[in-house]
Amino acid sequence: QKEVEQDPGPLSVPEGAIVSLNCTYSNSAFQYFMWYRQYSRKGPELLMYTYSSGNKEDGRFTAQVDKSSKYISLFIRDSQPSDSATYLCAMDSGGYQKVTFGIGTKLQVIP
Amino acid sequence: DGGITQSPKYLFRKEGQNVTLSCEQNLNHDAMYWYRQDPGQGLRLIYYSQIVNDFQKGDIAEGYSVSREKKESFPLTVTSAQKNPTAFYLCASSFDRASGTDTQYFGPGTRLTVL
Repeated sequence: QKEVEQDPGPLSVPEGAIVSLNCTYSNSAFQYFMWYRQYSRKGPELLMYTYSSGNKEDGRFTAQVDKSSKYISLFIRDSQPSDSATYLCAMDSGGYQKVTFGIGTKLQVIP
Repeated sequence: DGGITQSPKYLFRKEGQNVTLSCEQNLNHDAMYWYRQDPGQGLRLIYYSQIVNDFQKGDIAEGYSVSREKKESFPLTVTSAQKNPTAFYLCASSFDRASGTDTQYFGPGTRLTVL
């Protein structure tokens, strides 16, 4: 079993829809959680960073962490065609352990 | 304008050749990383360095080498021993782990193709 599971998609939604992207994990030591957006042939861009459980909102993006279920989510409200990209989750237990990335979910927002 | 630069953007290598990928950052980050990204496999850690003149192997270090002579620079050499080097290579950097999480910032990537 992989430490981090993420559905690769692709996920296609109409413009304006609410998008829900998710990752599950098995390592209970993870306490830092990140979401990256990666456009085709570009480097990943940090979108959201959350420590421990709870919600964090930034504009149209909301990150949720449920440590009891080992489940994290990224919600995108009023999705736009410019949101079409691959979204990578990443998590970290702190200290000097390496970051573990999900495989990425490819999202397509259709105008 | 702070950030991470990688060069070249595209690189072609003949079999049996060594090639070096450049990574430079002006973010004053202590730690630097090299990842390889292949379709359907996500990011795989090749090497990382937490301080100048020190580096550690990641999950797939075989066939690669690095150096960290300056804080700003972390070049990656893909040697002829790497049997399947065609991939998208990403460099990242972060602050010293002692300050908290290892939130990594990525460069634009280098696409290496073996001819």
